[in-house]
Amino acid sequence: EVQLLESGGGLVQPGGSLRLSCEASGFTFSSYAMTWVRQAPGKGLEWVSGVTHTAGSTYYADSVKGRFTISKDNSKSTLYLQMSSLRAEDTAIYYCAKYRYNYGHDSWGQGTLVTVSS
Amino acid sequence: IQLTQSPSSLSASVGDRVTITCRASQGINNYLAWYQQKPGKAPQLLIYAASTLQSGVPSRFSGSGSGPDFTLTISSLQPEDFATYYCQQLNSYPLTFGGGTMVEI
Repeated sequence: EVQLLESGGGLVQPGGSLRLSCEASGFTFSSYAMTWVRQAPGKGLEWVSGVTHTAGSTYYADSVKGRFTISKDNSKSTLYLQMSSLRAEDTAIYYCAKYRYNYGHDSWGQGTLVTVSS
Repeated sequence: IQLTQSPSSLSASVGDRVTITCRASQGINNYLAWYQQKPGKAPQLLIYAASTLQSGVPSRFSGSGSGPDFTLTISSLQPEDFATYYCQQLNSYPLTFGGGTMVEI
């Protein structure tokens, strides 16, 4: 059974940093691309960042480019999202998801809440 | 690539046929997925490649279209189908989502 377990969320002040982790199990982590998706309170889904299965290429939404860094440690089956220069508008539930190229995200974690507030 | 979903919300009854539309601003080679999200839960993949049903998804769900307009149809709405539905293009990064359609009783 595929399991994705996010951690690292919490309350952080504007301008601060936070690192999210997503521990994967139940599938060959090194064979799949991974994605971070967020959802602000009461809002829709927003694709945030993606990484290829080898971790050789990374992609970002314009809203987070230059502030967030995605990484993938295939030896630990863990996905990360390093977030810096956080803003109030980054407040959201952050989901990690397993990505099948061109087909979609077929497994999701339960999400971790990030709140940016003073 | 922008995805425009319509309607943003709809009211329906159990047994109704429901159709949701997603329009892509440019060609996406049918790389379109549909998700269902219930309150407080993560999204779940329903349809991929515009019309292929994900394993375990009931057959009352179907997808169609070949660009720029795609549709998700629920043939006979069931109580457990009241949720928010999103389309997503998987053709090129950033992998954008549509704005969502809330299906209410």
